[in-house]
Amino acid sequence: EDQVTQSPEALRLQEGESSSLNCSYTVSGLRGLFWYRQDPGKGPEFLFTLYSAGEEKEKERLKATLTKKESFLHITAPKPEDSATYLCAVLISGNTPLVFGKGTRLSVIA
Amino acid sequence: GAVVSQHPSRVICKSGTSVKIECRSLDFQATTMFWYRQFPKQSLMLMATSNEGSKATYEQGVEKDKFLINHASLTLSTLTVTSAHPEDSSFYICSARDPGHTQYFGPGTRLTVL
Repeated sequence: EDQVTQSPEALRLQEGESSSLNCSYTVSGLRGLFWYRQDPGKGPEFLFTLYSAGEEKEKERLKATLTKKESFLHITAPKPEDSATYLCAVLISGNTPLVFGKGTRLSVIA
Repeated sequence: GAVVSQHPSRVICKSGTSVKIECRSLDFQATTMFWYRQFPKQSLMLMATSNEGSKATYEQGVEKDKFLINHASLTLSTLTVTSAHPEDSSFYICSARDPGHTQYFGPGTRLTVL
């Protein structure tokens, strides 16, 4: 069964305290791995797509990396406005729905 | 980035009425659109997948006669909650996949049924 697991479930950081979120996957095929950010009461906001092992993408304080079994979302010197739930999802084939992890709820304290 | 809009953002209705939610991809043609619902502090739950001009594919346990999906064009999908009841109150989010397979989400619609 295709499965995506995110850890930790929740993470509390001090402002400026860098850390990483993990997304491990066991799937029958990988067309792409997506990271989203979701704020309360809003739809998920697209952050990155990664397609193959070794790929890395960056946006401001966020950097996403991909291996054959997992992806990491590194947050460098986070700020309170980075507080949100971060979702990881895998696309197995072009026509199938995304398989989501349960998310990591990040709180950054000033 | 690509934009997906939803309308309305909030709706309050009486039990027994029907509510239509529109989802539009504003700057790309969506090969496939998806409808999700989300309860407070819970994960996204996929309701159905729709392709333009085809019948929607509903997930197990989702009543297709209650949640009518119409995917009239490559940029528009609608979800109609028919004869809504309080248990249908939820946060509904649409999503559109572009030809490169990147999937973008709308801002969501908060439905409250009294």
